[in-house]
Amino acid sequence: GESVGLHLPTLSVQEGDNSIINCAYSNSASDYFIWYKQESGKGPQFIIDIRSNMDKRQGQRVTVLLNKTVKHLSLQIAATQPGDSAVYFCAEKGSNFGNEKLTFGTGTRLTIIP
Amino acid sequence: KAGVTQTPRYLIKTRGQQVTLSCSPISGHRSVSWYQQTPGQGLQFLFEYFSETQRNKGNFPGRFSGRQFSNSRSEMNVSTLELGDSALYLCASSLRQSSYNEQFFGPGTRLTVL
Repeated sequence: GESVGLHLPTLSVQEGDNSIINCAYSNSASDYFIWYKQESGKGPQFIIDIRSNMDKRQGQRVTVLLNKTVKHLSLQIAATQPGDSAVYFCAEKGSNFGNEKLTFGTGTRLTIIP
Repeated sequence: KAGVTQTPRYLIKTRGQQVTLSCSPISGHRSVSWYQQTPGQGLQFLFEYFSETQRNKGNFPGRFSGRQFSNSRSEMNVSTLELGDSALYLCASSLRQSSYNEQFFGPGTRLTVL
């Protein structure tokens, strides 16, 4: 069945450095890919998304890269700050209208070292 | 604009009991999706409601049910609780106007089954 997984469960990065969080997906029919950030005691918060017809999208301090050939997604966070410490999830969604289901990866815990 | 709200935030029940959780979507959002989050299984889709009708369903037993009211507020019910139902239950709302709609998550209800 479809699944979205992450390569690394934990990642520690020095404050100010860049971080890269990776995600592998298996459903080649997925059309949308989304990154969420979840802080302790809160629900997932949208960071950035990318559609399957793109290979790169940039936001504020974040960049998402999509490699459909190897079914790989990554989130790059520039100049990490203590507030970036959280669990990051990738999620995917199909293209069909009327199905809001998101399939989530297992999550990566990012810790920023001061 | 107020975000997605969920009540109660914490709940403790015993095995065999039933529980009802509530979710109020962002004003104007008509789609509400429910997810179960556990350390072992991660974030898993339960079901989605739109216009008071269940539109999509995940792979959960019939003990998990829900409904949506005319004001788009949604409730989910779990009957005959099992220890494994202990989890963070999240709801997300969206406009559901196209094939991809950003979903906004609430803070979740932490359910503990003893």
